[in-house]
Amino acid sequence: DTGVSQNPRHKITKRGQNVTFRCDPISEHNRLYWYRQTLGQGPEFLTYFQNEAQLEKSRLLSDRFSAERPKGSFSTLEIQRTEQGDSAMYLCASSLTGRGTGELFFGEGSRLTVL
Amino acid sequence: QKEVEQDPGPLSVPEGAIVSLNCTYSNSAFQYFMWYRQYSRKGPELLMYTYSSGNKEDGRFTAQVDKSSKYISLFIRDSQPSDSATYLCAIPYSSASKIIFGSGTRLSIRP
Repeated sequence: DTGVSQNPRHKITKRGQNVTFRCDPISEHNRLYWYRQTLGQGPEFLTYFQNEAQLEKSRLLSDRFSAERPKGSFSTLEIQRTEQGDSAMYLCASSLTGRGTGELFFGEGSRLTVL
Repeated sequence: QKEVEQDPGPLSVPEGAIVSLNCTYSNSAFQYFMWYRQYSRKGPELLMYTYSSGNKEDGRFTAQVDKSSKYISLFIRDSQPSDSATYLCAIPYSSASKIIFGSGTRLSIRP
């Protein structure tokens, strides 16, 4: 068990560029979540997958954001036409359904800075 | 009104002090309650969870839920500098479909 892995750890981009983050969950976990966290705030839910199906998407999520989880393994989160307000830490987490409370195991995050 | 409200702090106490961290929530249907701990530049990790009302103790940590007042607390006894972190209350929204987090309380334990 190598834990949840996220890449890149830090991305600096110019406004208007597209960025993509990758998350590799714990191998046996069937659920995968994306959260966004800004300074001084708790993680804000963006979307989640069960296997390859995207089951829920936050109403706050702009159309510029898209997430995929092909084959129910790794996931990507793409942000198109980045804005300065997109600067945040993007956290990925995974869990296994049927395990008690559905504890989330988080990666260390991908920090996005939009200049 | 946010579904989960948490005093952001920061909170600074001397080593050995008892720490009390608190959250309130709005939805009386919530059943599970969690506390996550997040060290600087790391992802959150589950510290404790409780179901319904009552207390749960784990070493120096005690989680308390009062459903009548929609109030959850985390107590840390004999606090240590290694407890310095941000503490997030968290509630599964429904059937563990997503977990919503409070804004976090940043705690610093002074040696």
